[in-house]
Amino acid sequence: EIVLTQSPGTLSLSPGERATVSCRASQSVSKYYLSWYQQKPGQAPRLLIYDTSSRATGIPDRFSASGSETDFTLTISRLEPEDFAMYYCQQRGLSPPTFGQGTKVEIK
Amino acid sequence: EVQLLESGGGLVQPGGTLRLSCAVSGFTFSSYAMNWVRQAPGKGLEWVSTINNSGENTYYADSVKGRFTISRDISSNTVFLQMNSLRADDTAVYYCARGGSAAYYRFEYWGQGTLVTVSS
Repeated sequence: EIVLTQSPGTLSLSPGERATVSCRASQSVSKYYLSWYQQKPGQAPRLLIYDTSSRATGIPDRFSASGSETDFTLTISRLEPEDFAMYYCQQRGLSPPTFGQGTKVEIK
Repeated sequence: EVQLLESGGGLVQPGGTLRLSCAVSGFTFSSYAMNWVRQAPGKGLEWVSTINNSGENTYYADSVKGRFTISRDISSNTVFLQMNSLRADDTAVYYCARGGSAAYYRFEYWGQGTLVTVSS
């Protein structure tokens, strides 16, 4: 199975700052098969980004993502208070679908 | 509005059984694959199982293969997860998630989850 490794584990930032989360795959993932999810405490995950760089319905444009093959990145251009949460990458190119271990974006 | 509502979680002894349900609304149920994804307390997300739109094809994580069975009922717009021979490491919040159009494992919409606790 494809192992996804996210870094950093925790990102401590202030509102208004830029957040960058990395996701590295153990083998190449097609650009059509990499997604990002946001999860807040006590809530279900929410799809943010699919197909590497396409924003899901209702996701603000401060969220962007890019990448190819084994290296993918999620960027939040200016953190809003509601963006402090856990973020997971996920691949669906090879079964089983797998998730990264998560990155916590916390208020500094 | 797409809605998914899980039920059926609870406390069960090791070796026991439980059946989870996920009632959906707001989309054409027969057009989408459905999934179960779980999250152990304080841990990350783990895909559990998928059923395609017609119900003909099912897929399972190795960790649950032979113990869990996914099914769907088009008449009630509900997807089920029958869990047998439960173990302590099955303890988790179980989420129902809708797949994308022609993208089984793109989890586009999620329910609120139901907690399964396996303990004596």
